[in-house]
Amino acid sequence: DTAVSQTPKYLVTQMGNDKSIKCEQNLGHDTMYWYKQDSKKFLKIMFSYNNKELIINETVPNRFSPKSPDKAHLNLHINSLELGDSAVYFCASSQEGGVGTQYFGPGTRLLVL
Amino acid sequence: AQSVTQLGSHVSVSEGALVLLRCNYSSSVPPYLFWYVQYPNQGLQLLLKYTTGATLVKGINGFEAEFKKSETSFHLTKPSAHMSDAAEYFCAVTGSGNTGKLIFGQGTTLQVKP
Repeated sequence: DTAVSQTPKYLVTQMGNDKSIKCEQNLGHDTMYWYKQDSKKFLKIMFSYNNKELIINETVPNRFSPKSPDKAHLNLHINSLELGDSAVYFCASSQEGGVGTQYFGPGTRLLVL
Repeated sequence: AQSVTQLGSHVSVSEGALVLLRCNYSSSVPPYLFWYVQYPNQGLQLLLKYTTGATLVKGINGFEAEFKKSETSFHLTKPSAHMSDAAEYFCAVTGSGNTGKLIFGQGTTLQVKP
């Protein structure tokens, strides 16, 4: 069984569209994260949820909206997609907040045309 | 604010040679430090981490790292490189407040030559 899964794996879309990426973890963790990896492979945290509560909200355009229906799921919805949103988006989960190992999903490769 | 600097965006070694990937951090609070590996088109996998206690940390696949507070370093080493070690390596430090916010370095691509 995959510990942290993301769907879709690839997403190609036009500028201006709205899209969602889904993430699920079956590890029983309390905390989930979204990271963005740009074309230079730089990784930056976007959001973090602990037990469905938003605890980290980095400087991210408000076109990005995370939603956590339960502690095993954290979805990312993106409105009005822009070319600069093209990146790989990783979901991760952990137990114990700061010291807990973060387990990463396989990533969703988003290309905005 | 916390930050991580990885010296050398690209490191090339011969198979069987020592691997040394450098990481320096900046932190106003005692840091938790991590090394992650990313194979092509995959997510990140934890190699090892330092939280407290012993400063020499052993990880998976024969890697280890030593936390040196005086040098603010957490370099990753492996005595003998294998072809399968070719990947992207990221050093990371947790942000303040123990929220789990990982601050990553810019990554180092390890190439292993036969």
